[in-house]
Amino acid sequence: GAVVSQHPSWVICKSGTSVKIECRSLDFQATTMFWYRQFPKQSLMLMATSNEGSKATYEQGVEKDKFLINHASLTLSTLTVTSAHPEDSSFYICSARDPGGANEKLFFGSGTQLSVL
Amino acid sequence: AQKITQTQPGMFVQEKEAVTLDCTYDTSDPSYGLFWYKQPSSGEMIFLIYQGSYDQQNATEGRYSLNFQKARKSANLVISASQLGDSAMYFCAMSSGGGGNKLTFGTGTQLKVEL
Repeated sequence: GAVVSQHPSWVICKSGTSVKIECRSLDFQATTMFWYRQFPKQSLMLMATSNEGSKATYEQGVEKDKFLINHASLTLSTLTVTSAHPEDSSFYICSARDPGGANEKLFFGSGTQLSVL
Repeated sequence: AQKITQTQPGMFVQEKEAVTLDCTYDTSDPSYGLFWYKQPSSGEMIFLIYQGSYDQQNATEGRYSLNFQKARKSANLVISASQLGDSAMYFCAMSSGGGGNKLTFGTGTQLKVEL
């Protein structure tokens, strides 16, 4: 069953506002979570690695001040898109690994479709 | 740097037939993991199958099998007895240092299963 919960599934916001997306591991503790971005008809691109209790590690070209990541507990990571603009409209999806599971136990959330008007 | 290449933007297969989705990879890491995910129109990423670089045998999961040819750096997905519900986007992905880490994805293959 689903072990990573992502909320909300979709959000529409006005340009200039901030949007928070939550990613929760439901039945395991995740010291590391990953945030990806996917444009229509394209592949998933890693944005950042979310580390519990420390700063996130951002991929090259991803604005740290634009995409704020907070991993305050072992089961929750949040991605905040600050001062969103239409070009931030995209599908955002998180993933997490069950450290007690086998290597392939890398679970994805159901994703969040963000539309900025 | 790691790279995943999926050369088939779209594939068609008839119901009950088998289909092979191609994936080649490039990495300098001696230890890596290869994944296949299915993404239906709803957007969720559904894990299908995993192959570790040191695994001696090809991975199988039900109707899914991974044709791992290490020397050729290929990790093709074979879906047997295709079903209408298999119609979706399929992504090949790779992690370094085995599984459970950040993934590099290919561009995907859109599979359409026809009657």
